[in-house]
Amino acid sequence: DSGVTQTPKHLITATGQRVTLRCSPRSGDLSVYWYQQSLDQGLQFLIQYYNGEERAKGNILERFSAQQFPDLHSELNLSSLELGDSALYFCASSVEGHLTEAFFGQGTRLTVV
Amino acid sequence: KNQVEQSPQSLIILEGKNCTLQCNYTVSPFSNLRWYKQDTGRGPVSLTIMTFSENTKSNGRYTATLDADTKQSSLHITASQLSDSASYICVVSVRNQGGKLIFGQGTELSVKP
Repeated sequence: DSGVTQTPKHLITATGQRVTLRCSPRSGDLSVYWYQQSLDQGLQFLIQYYNGEERAKGNILERFSAQQFPDLHSELNLSSLELGDSALYFCASSVEGHLTEAFFGQGTRLTVV
Repeated sequence: KNQVEQSPQSLIILEGKNCTLQCNYTVSPFSNLRWYKQDTGRGPVSLTIMTFSENTKSNGRYTATLDADTKQSSLHITASQLSDSASYICVVSVRNQGGKLIFGQGTELSVKP
């Protein structure tokens, strides 16, 4: 158990809908990262927050947004969903940024039908 | 462009045998290099993390090496077990970009009895 909690574990929704994925980082970790992993693909970095502020942005679509709350949990919002958004979405957390170990949650499997 | 390339893409070995996975990177400025193990449908789990000044680091049967001059790393697995079957991902952290991680595509290792 990495200490990073993601909910829900599975999500099935229709095209055009909006969903929210939630991540609770390890106790004490200030950085939260979001990644997308499509079938048979590598992990794609989406976005990173540090202590409530956006710190780095990757290949995140405009239909997607994220935020980190004062209690350090984070949410990833996916809107106007398309079939191609079906993927595993992972959250990771670390104490700080590039120098410290990142621990991954077990992921949310999103299926868009 | 920051990139991490891994080879081979996939590998099949017999239980008990050793193997070596390769990682080449073109990431600048470099902060550290990590190897993760990812079981199918699960979150990645950290094996090793090495900074610029470290040449080798071990974690049980896993030994990672880093040559910062040639920008190459390897992960050596000794006396493989069936449970080693997984995807092994090389990840490089970018300095001064808030902890941005560049992921390789992974090497899919299958250990057969």
